[in-house]
Amino acid sequence: ELRLVESGGDLVQRGGSLRLSCAASGSTFSRSTMSWVRQAPGKGLEWIASLSGRGGDPFYADSVKGRFTISRDNPKNMVYLQMNSLRADDTAVYYCATTNYGQSFDPWGQGTLVTVSS
Amino acid sequence: QSVLTQPPSTSGTPGQRVTISCSGSSSNIENNRVNWYQHFPGTTPKLLIHTDSERPSGVSDRFSASKSGTSASLAISGLQSEDEADYYCAVWDDSLHSVMFGGGTKLTVL
Repeated sequence: ELRLVESGGDLVQRGGSLRLSCAASGSTFSRSTMSWVRQAPGKGLEWIASLSGRGGDPFYADSVKGRFTISRDNPKNMVYLQMNSLRADDTAVYYCATTNYGQSFDPWGQGTLVTVSS
Repeated sequence: QSVLTQPPSTSGTPGQRVTISCSGSSSNIENNRVNWYQHFPGTTPKLLIHTDSERPSGVSDRFSASKSGTSASLAISGLQSEDEADYYCAVWDDSLHSVMFGGGTKLTVL
C-alpha cells in the first residue's frame, strides 16, 4: 500500500497560482491511478481530478476544469496539482489519494491547506 | 447541490443499529460501484466500504452496506461512541464524467 504525503499548501491571493505536490512511497505507484480530493471549510468532500498510472487522459470536476492540471512523475513517485486562477471558493484542504477499482480512494494523504484570500 | 442525496444528520444510542441512505440515479448508483467513507473532522478520510458492499481489510464487520436500484445505504450495528463521524457515499457518474460525493451525514452517538 502506498503512503502519501502532500505539500505545497499556502496562503495565496485570488487570481494567483499554486502547485501542490504529493509524494508517494511504495512500489506500485507507477501502476496506480492518483486523484485529488478537497474539503472546503464547513463543506463536504469534493473530487477534483484523477490521472491513471499510464498517464492517459486526466479527468476533472467541472469546478476546476480549465484552471487546474493534474500531472505525475513516475520515476520520482510524485503527483502534482497545478492550480491557476485561484478563487476564494478554492480554499480547502487538498488530499491526494490512490484510486482503486470502482473509483474508491484508498489510502489518502494527510492533506495540505490552501487558503485563497480576496 | 450534490447529485447524491444523503440526510445531513442522524443519531443513535450505543448498541443501536443506524442506517445512512444515499439516493442517486441511473447515471451513478444504479450502474456503478458505490463507496463509503468515514471522516473524523481534522483527520484523513477512511475508506469504509468499496464496490457497493465490500469491507477493506481492517474495517469492523459492524459496518455493512447495500445497494438497490438508484439507492444505497450504509448500516452501522452495535453503535459505539467512536463511530461519531461524518459519512460520505461516493460513486462515478456516467453523465457528468466525474466522481460524485454525497453531501455527507453527520452521525451523533447520544
